[in-house]
Amino acid sequence: SQTIHQWPATLVQPVGSPLSLECTVEGTSNPNLYWYRQAAGRGLQLLFYSVGIGQISSEVPQNLSASRPQDRQFILSSKKLLLSDSGFYLCAWSIGTPQETQYFGPGTRLLVL
Amino acid sequence: KNEVEQSPQNLTAQEGEFITINCSYSVGISALHWLQQHPGGGIVSLFMLSSGKKKHGRLIATINIQEKHSSLHITASHPRDSAVYICAVRSQGAQKLVFGQGTRLTINP
Repeated sequence: SQTIHQWPATLVQPVGSPLSLECTVEGTSNPNLYWYRQAAGRGLQLLFYSVGIGQISSEVPQNLSASRPQDRQFILSSKKLLLSDSGFYLCAWSIGTPQETQYFGPGTRLLVL
Repeated sequence: KNEVEQSPQNLTAQEGEFITINCSYSVGISALHWLQQHPGGGIVSLFMLSSGKKKHGRLIATINIQEKHSSLHITASHPRDSAVYICAVRSQGAQKLVFGQGTRLTINP
């Protein structure tokens, strides 16, 4: 069966510090991978998605970046965090056609102070 | 105006009541998803549908493509159904999902 892992579960970082959030998927090959952010009191916002190794599409201009160094690994990074980067970050995966179901990870709660 | 609108934003009901959450969208879509987000933040996919109706246990999801509207129904609601329910649509030809703001449901015992 497929599983998706995210870590860390919670993170408190000072403004201006770097960020690295990791997401890994087990039990499937060549998944589509997604990073979402949910700010407090707001809906989910797609940040990045990837259809293969090294292929990253950015949906929102910002100081975040994403990388996919391996087939089932998706990393969200920042060189310098802003207060507005606080939120709940969710990784998701899917397989196949554009109508496929997405399966979400447990999320990382980030607080930038 | 958001592409995906949900109503109500908040809903409180007593255990056993029949619950309806609505979702309206403004674009042509290839699929609509209903998701459930638990208080801890975890998200579970409930339904993906492009036409008609789907049922899973006490949950029923319907969609009317012509009217660009979907509903999520919960029969015999239970306190464990308390969560945020999120509607999301995939536009025709698009890779990404567009999400509604969510409906916070609270079922009191």
